[in-house]
Amino acid sequence: EAGVAQSPRYKIIEKRQSVAFWCNPISGHATLYWYQQILGQGPKLLIQFQNNGVVDDSQLPKDRFSAERLKGVDSTLKIQPAKLEDSAVYLCASRGGAGELFFGEGSRLTVL
Amino acid sequence: QKEVEQDPGPLSVPEGAIVSLNCTYSNSAFQYFMWYRQYSRKGPELLMYTYSSGNKEDGRFTAQVDKSSKYISLFIRDSQPSDSATYLCAPHMNAGNMLTFGGGTRLMVKP
Repeated sequence: EAGVAQSPRYKIIEKRQSVAFWCNPISGHATLYWYQQILGQGPKLLIQFQNNGVVDDSQLPKDRFSAERLKGVDSTLKIQPAKLEDSAVYLCASRGGAGELFFGEGSRLTVL
Repeated sequence: QKEVEQDPGPLSVPEGAIVSLNCTYSNSAFQYFMWYRQYSRKGPELLMYTYSSGNKEDGRFTAQVDKSSKYISLFIRDSQPSDSATYLCAPHMNAGNMLTFGGGTRLMVKP
């Protein structure tokens, strides 16, 4: 069974530029999450999707972050404009039947 | 007070040692308690989970939950260098809820 796929693995941009991350969850998983993990900290939830609908985006900085999952399968997370404090690993996860989360390897963003 | 707290470490132990990793939480509604392991530059992977209070054993790993004191522990017996990773606890209310992660404890097992 293929795992959660994410791209790109690494991205370096300058502040005020934009960036987009892509995630393809495990086939059949209806629930998809985006987490932000700053170095030395645990993952922090940004947004949760159930199929193509948003379940929880209360911690998403909506002035600069946006996410979509138009067809209920893959998802895109965008940051525009980026700030220095957005430097982090962006993890995508999908949920299995027992509630366990399966994570991708993450997209590491460096904002200069 | 953070909802889930862990000592960040690093915790350095010799190979073969028994390791105790701990986590405290504040929300008494949490019923499921998960432990994730995260290797450097990788995403977290589920190690084991328990429901409500009690112990659960899986090979060299034992998870223990004390809901009365809101305290979660993960024990690793006969620790190996391959156990070197960050361990994240993630309690939550039910299978449909999003997970709230602790900050993680970094473990280093030296040969």
